Amino acid sequence: DSGVTQTPKHLITATGQRVTLRCSPRSGDLSVYWYQQSLDQGLQFLIQYYNGEERAKGNILERFSAQQFPDLHSELNLSSLELGDSALYFCASSVDSGETNEQYFGPGTRLTVT
Amino acid sequence: AQSVTQLDSQVPVFEEAPVELRCNYSSSVSVYLFWYVQYPNQGLQLLLKYLSGSTLVKGINGFEAEFNKSQTSFHLRKPSVHISDTAEYFCAVTAYNTDKLIFGTGTRLQVFP
Repeated sequence: DSGVTQTPKHLITATGQRVTLRCSPRSGDLSVYWYQQSLDQGLQFLIQYYNGEERAKGNILERFSAQQFPDLHSELNLSSLELGDSALYFCASSVDSGETNEQYFGPGTRLTVT
Repeated sequence: AQSVTQLDSQVPVFEEAPVELRCNYSSSVSVYLFWYVQYPNQGLQLLLKYLSGSTLVKGINGFEAEFNKSQTSFHLRKPSVHISDTAEYFCAVTAYNTDKLIFGTGTRLQVFP
């Protein structure tokens, strides 16, 4: 158990809908990262937040947005969902920001868009 | 920009045999290298990392990896695998002054009895 929790574990929704994925980082971790794992794109970095502020952005679609709240939990919002958004979404956290900080991954949320 | 290539998508091996999972990277700047393991229906767990210093890095579960700058490689090895090592293994890289992990496509290690 990494100490990172993600809810829900599974999510099934229809095209055009909007969903929110939630992540609680390990106690004391200030950085939260979101990754998408799909069969065709592999594991891709989406976005990072550090202590409430956006720190880095990757291949995140404009239909997707995220935020980190004062209690440090984070939410990833996916809207106007398409079939291709079906994937496993991972959240990771680290103590600080920096390339040498170990990232601890949550168990993921499996999103299925029908 | 950085990229990672994992040359083998699947590696079948018998229990107690040695295994090597290959990883090559590309970067114009200094990098830090990681191997993660993903067991079925679970998140990723860090096996080992190379930040600096000795090029031979030892990790958890008996795995080790060697950083070779001239060949831009970071191959993962284990001298004797167990059934429980069956999983997906990901090589990843970050560059100086950037947090995001760039992952390879993964290698599925299948250990047979």
